[in-house]
Amino acid sequence: DAKTTQPTSMDCAEGRAANLPCNHSTISGNEYVYWYRQIHSQGPQYIIHGLKNNETNEMASLIITEDRKSSTLILPHATLRDTAVYYCIVRWDTDKLIFGTGTRLQVFP
Amino acid sequence: GAVVSQHPSWVICKSGTSVKIECRSLDFQATTMFWYRQFPKQSLMLMATSNEGSKATYEQGVEKDKFLINHASLTLSTLTVTSAHPEDSSFYICSARDQTRLTDTQYFGPGTRLTVL
Repeated sequence: DAKTTQPTSMDCAEGRAANLPCNHSTISGNEYVYWYRQIHSQGPQYIIHGLKNNETNEMASLIITEDRKSSTLILPHATLRDTAVYYCIVRWDTDKLIFGTGTRLQVFP
Repeated sequence: GAVVSQHPSWVICKSGTSVKIECRSLDFQATTMFWYRQFPKQSLMLMATSNEGSKATYEQGVEKDKFLINHASLTLSTLTVTSAHPEDSSFYICSARDQTRLTDTQYFGPGTRLTVL
């Protein structure tokens, strides 16, 4: 599996957009980019995933660069409940998810 | 969205006893489930892949005789920690693959906190 690189931590003001970057320069053509988040003492929550095109759902948007070597997760209007550790994972179709250290996002009032 | 449950949510046991943790996919069938372990302030570590009707596949360094996995049905996988010791105290999390949707996605349970005294 390709490895990912994420900043250790980020801050975001409540109501503003939170943009979480992820580098995956060794990603292969058939690997998806997945995002999960983990709120303290809970199981990870699925957010979104994509292959090539940008994706949007009710939780977030995923922007993948044309060369697919990096991506950005966007939470359009962050709330205090979005404070969590966000994991960017690349995964080939049916393969297992391997978690890195993630980005600790702190949303402040 | 897909829902995965775990039982119990927390358990305290004495050293040397065995503990069973259940993982259930509530609204979908899962031929494959996964078991993770997470120590404080660390990321999730994959322990094993559980396949319905066959033996589990363990990650390197995980003792299969200590962490027994059974995936007897399409909605239930169990993890039994045998002869538990204090160093087995951890947060155990399962996930289940939902292959019924357009793309294959894993959904996680809420976790089980095990404390071994």
